[in-house]
Amino acid sequence: ETGVTQSPTHLIKTRGQQVTLRCSSQSGHNTVSWYQQALGQGPQFIFQYYREEENGRGNFPPRFSGLQFPNYSSELNVNALELDDSALYLCASSLGQTTDTQYFGPGTRLTVL
Amino acid sequence: QKEVEQDPGPLSVPEGAIVSLNCTYSNSAFQYFMWYRQYSRKGPELLMYTYSSGNKEDGRFTAQVDKSSKYISLFIRDSQPSDSATYLCASSFTGGGNKLTFGTGTQLKVEL
Repeated sequence: ETGVTQSPTHLIKTRGQQVTLRCSSQSGHNTVSWYQQALGQGPQFIFQYYREEENGRGNFPPRFSGLQFPNYSSELNVNALELDDSALYLCASSLGQTTDTQYFGPGTRLTVL
Repeated sequence: QKEVEQDPGPLSVPEGAIVSLNCTYSNSAFQYFMWYRQYSRKGPELLMYTYSSGNKEDGRFTAQVDKSSKYISLFIRDSQPSDSATYLCASSFTGGGNKLTFGTGTQLKVEL
């Protein structure tokens, strides 16, 4: 186990709703990245937070937003859910941006009906 | 064209076989290359991490990067049923802690 935890494990929402996913990073890690993994695909980078500031964003619309808290835990918020948002959402933590590894949590499986 | 391309498989091999998994990438600015293993319903787990071109060995696993051909490989020797998983290659510009660009993943099954 990596020490990165995510909640909830599974979530079912309907189109148009809003969702908040949570991530607790590994102890001592100050950088959190979020990825979206659609079925049968590799993870796609959503954004990264470093010491509570957004530090890089992938090709995702503004309805995907996030927060990082002083204890370095993080939230991913998605507004106006669409069917294509159904995916596994992965959180990864690391110590800085250039260290040699990101540790992934188990993910939150989001289903949008 | 995706920045990192990977054959999705599935790839099925007998126990004890040598497995070769491959990726190609298009962005010359990638400097760091990683292989992650992902079991069903789990998050990716880092297996190998290399910087620039060259080989790196760790137990039964060997990672190779050829920057001249933009080719990334992972070899698994003496494959075991417990190696059955999806293998993801990933690249980044400035280090493994930064934005990772993943391939699609190759599903591997090692059969008894």
